[in-house]
Amino acid sequence: AQSVTQPDIHITVSEGASLELRCNYSYGATPYLFWYVQSPGQGLQLLLKYFSGDTLVQGIKGFEAEFKRSQSSFNLRKPSVHWSDAAEYFCASFSSGSARQLTFGSGTQLTVLP
Amino acid sequence: GAVVSQHPSRVICKSGTSVKIECRSLDFQATTMFWYRQFPKQSLMLMATSNEGSKATYEQGVEKDKFLINHASLTLSTLTVTSAHPEDSSFYICSARDSGGGYTFGSGTRLTVV
Repeated sequence: AQSVTQPDIHITVSEGASLELRCNYSYGATPYLFWYVQSPGQGLQLLLKYFSGDTLVQGIKGFEAEFKRSQSSFNLRKPSVHWSDAAEYFCASFSSGSARQLTFGSGTQLTVLP
Repeated sequence: GAVVSQHPSRVICKSGTSVKIECRSLDFQATTMFWYRQFPKQSLMLMATSNEGSKATYEQGVEKDKFLINHASLTLSTLTVTSAHPEDSSFYICSARDSGGGYTFGSGTRLTVV
């Protein structure tokens, strides 16, 4: 069965510092990969997605992610974090099957220090 | 972009009563919608896949008689929590697959059963 792993439960960075959130997937074929952000008590907002093509994907709010097949990874990066980036981040991927249900990682809580 | 509207955002109900949550795709047609449940500081757990005009597909362990799903039109899916109990208190989120191949999420419903 397909799975998505986010190794870091909680990450703390200072405002202005760079950020990298890790995501690993297990899937035989090329996966469809997503990063979402969730603020407390809110739904999920799509940051970016990868289906095919260029392995470096640009998203909203200055985020980018790189698909590395050799490492089964899709890490999210941002060169300079803002205090408003503090939130929960989820990596997700299509599961197999016609319904294409999303499989989510366990999430990474980002804290931004002033 | 694609928008999914979810109502209500918060609901408090008495134990034993039923609660209906609506999920609407505002500017696109959604033949498939998904219902998730999220516990505090945890990831999203897929409950069921809602298909327009047919029965929902429930994930293992989800009681279909307790969590009734109706997808009567291409823009509306409803989740009814029947005979609610305090253990049903949770954050429920719907999503729909949009025309771009991604998934758009509602803003979630915080259900509290007292």
